[in-house]
Amino acid sequence: TQLLEQSPQFLSIQEGENLTVYCNSSSVFSSLQWYRQEPGEGPVLLVTVVTGGEVKKLKRLTFQFGDARKDSSLHITAAQPGDTGLYLCAGVWYGQNFVFGPGTRLSVLP
Amino acid sequence: DTGVSQNPRHKITKRGQNVTFRCDPISEHNRLYWYRQTLGQGPEFLTYFQNEAQLEKSRLLSDRFSAERPKGSFSTLEIQRTEQGDSAMYLCASSPRTGNEQFFGPGTRLTVL
Repeated sequence: TQLLEQSPQFLSIQEGENLTVYCNSSSVFSSLQWYRQEPGEGPVLLVTVVTGGEVKKLKRLTFQFGDARKDSSLHITAAQPGDTGLYLCAGVWYGQNFVFGPGTRLSVLP
Repeated sequence: DTGVSQNPRHKITKRGQNVTFRCDPISEHNRLYWYRQTLGQGPEFLTYFQNEAQLEKSRLLSDRFSAERPKGSFSTLEIQRTEQGDSAMYLCASSPRTGNEQFFGPGTRLTVL
């Protein structure tokens, strides 16, 4: 049973377009993290959101944590080819236990 | 380079052989995690150490798998009698004493023929 679901599974867009990917769960998490992973490498942490309703911005990336702390979204503005990768969300319990979603594989075409 | 390192980066082995992977976490990080990732999936939790103590093991970790962190620094993950289903990327991550940020290594890709 997948505790975290991510959608869409795959996304292919043109450079300059905007996109949103989603992370959903029936569980409540103490915090939620977003990672980006490139082929053959380990995931790299992008952001941690802690408070329900929290919005964090990282340049062209905007992360939102749902009010109930069960879901999150990642919005990318004016996507660039360098944004290509696997975007993973991870739910965190009590700062020590992590569960990852299956990821959204993003391809940004020049 | 002070990041998490993993060795080897790639391992090809025949079914039935034993393999051992090593993870060197960021120094002074007391928490260390092992994950397994198959194609098209997110990392699946295998086990977790706080210092040298193994505090949690996933039920994914069969008795063919064993992990150690003898001095609370580097860790090893051994798979005995490998099976083709063990083929995956094995990722290690470390976390500092406070906070929940995980720093991942580049992984070891295992192929069992």
